[in-house]
Amino acid sequence: LAKTTQPISMDSYEGQEVNITCSHNNIATNDYITWYQQFPSQGPRFIIQGYKTKVTNEVASLFIPADRKSSTLSLPRVSLSDTAVYYCLVGDFTGGFKTIFGAGTRLFVKA
Amino acid sequence: DAGVTQSPTHLIKTRGQQVTLRCSPKSGHDTVSWYQQALGQGPQFIFQYYEEEERQRGNFPDRFSGHQFPNYSSELNVNALLLGDSALYLCASSWSRGQGYNEQFFGPGTRLTVL
Repeated sequence: LAKTTQPISMDSYEGQEVNITCSHNNIATNDYITWYQQFPSQGPRFIIQGYKTKVTNEVASLFIPADRKSSTLSLPRVSLSDTAVYYCLVGDFTGGFKTIFGAGTRLFVKA
Repeated sequence: DAGVTQSPTHLIKTRGQQVTLRCSPKSGHDTVSWYQQALGQGPQFIFQYYEEEERQRGNFPDRFSGHQFPNYSSELNVNALLLGDSALYLCASSWSRGQGYNEQFFGPGTRLTVL
């Protein structure tokens, strides 16, 4: 599984756009990029997943450059409730491949 | 749909004891994975069950074992508990035959404290 590197923590203010970048230099051809969000004492929650270019859903956008060696999770107009830990995962998750979480990025949104 | 459920929510044990944690997957899911999450760290993959067999395993000792039942529910057993086993234990379920990435749905976890 490709190793991922993300910032340990980030601070933001309500209403701002937050971009969290994840580096995955050893990403393989069959690998997908997936982001999870986790609140304290809760299980992680799937946010978004992509393979290349840009993916957008009702919660976030995921930008993946052509070389796929990094990806950026974009959260538009964050609120206090977006304060959480965000995990970037890279791997071929089909067929039940084991999922490896890193330390994640702790996002703290201030009023 | 109740989503993924886990029981109990909290548990306190002493060193050397054994513990069993339970997980019911989301309706329609057939694959269950277990994770251990220590305070301040990301979840660590323990193992995954599919068709009642262990399919993948992380770097955990044999003290950690599991089982999957015909209804896809699962148990995680930990023998000879150590203080270091204190953590949040998460169960996640997924559907093995989905297209592309099989999104995992996590339960709320069981908080295990070993004294």
